[in-house]
Amino acid sequence: AQSVSQHNHHVILSEAASLELGCNYSYGGTVNLFWYVQYPGQHLQLLLKYFSGDPLVKGIKGFEAEFIKSKFSFNLRKPSVQWSDTAEYFCAVKREYGNKLVFGAGTILRVKS
Amino acid sequence: GAGVSQSPRYKVAKRGQDVALRCDPISGHVSLFWYQQALGQGPEFLTYFQNEAQLDKSGLPSDRFFAERPEGSVSTLKIQRTQQEDSAVYLCASSFGTSRVGRYTFGSGTRLTVV
Repeated sequence: AQSVSQHNHHVILSEAASLELGCNYSYGGTVNLFWYVQYPGQHLQLLLKYFSGDPLVKGIKGFEAEFIKSKFSFNLRKPSVQWSDTAEYFCAVKREYGNKLVFGAGTILRVKS
Repeated sequence: GAGVSQSPRYKVAKRGQDVALRCDPISGHVSLFWYQQALGQGPEFLTYFQNEAQLDKSGLPSDRFFAERPEGSVSTLKIQRTQQEDSAVYLCASSFGTSRVGRYTFGSGTRLTVV
């Protein structure tokens, strides 16, 4: 069965620090990859997704992620975080022709102002 | 509406009670998904509809869980004889295309607490 592993459950950063959240998945076939964000009191929102092509994907609010097929990884990065980035971040994987997203357990990011 | 609407936002049920959770997807969205999110975990897939057809129900944890989407729009997730382990947030998501497209809009969820 597919699984998604997010390396850190809680991350605390100061404003302007750089962010990297790890995500690894365990499916060997072709996959679609996603990062979702859930701000306090809000619903899950798509940050970015990778289907094919350039493995460096740019999303909203200055976030980017890099797909490294050989490492089964899709890490999320942001060069300089803001207090408003405080949220929970979920990595998710879908088989190319599958129905369901498989989510990681999430990483709670707190940015100190 | 502009987003996926779920009701109720909160539900407290006594153990053994039946509950029904409603999802109003974005108008015209073909695909509809239900997920269960336990505390401290990521969402876990329950079931998938394409229009009124339930194409995948592999994630439903037991036969106490039942979902329907009779007219291809609104969906209801029913849980019979609720148990404490059913306590979770139940998320609905919809998508304009089929599941292959992968662009999902999530609702805010229904938080179910079984006491």
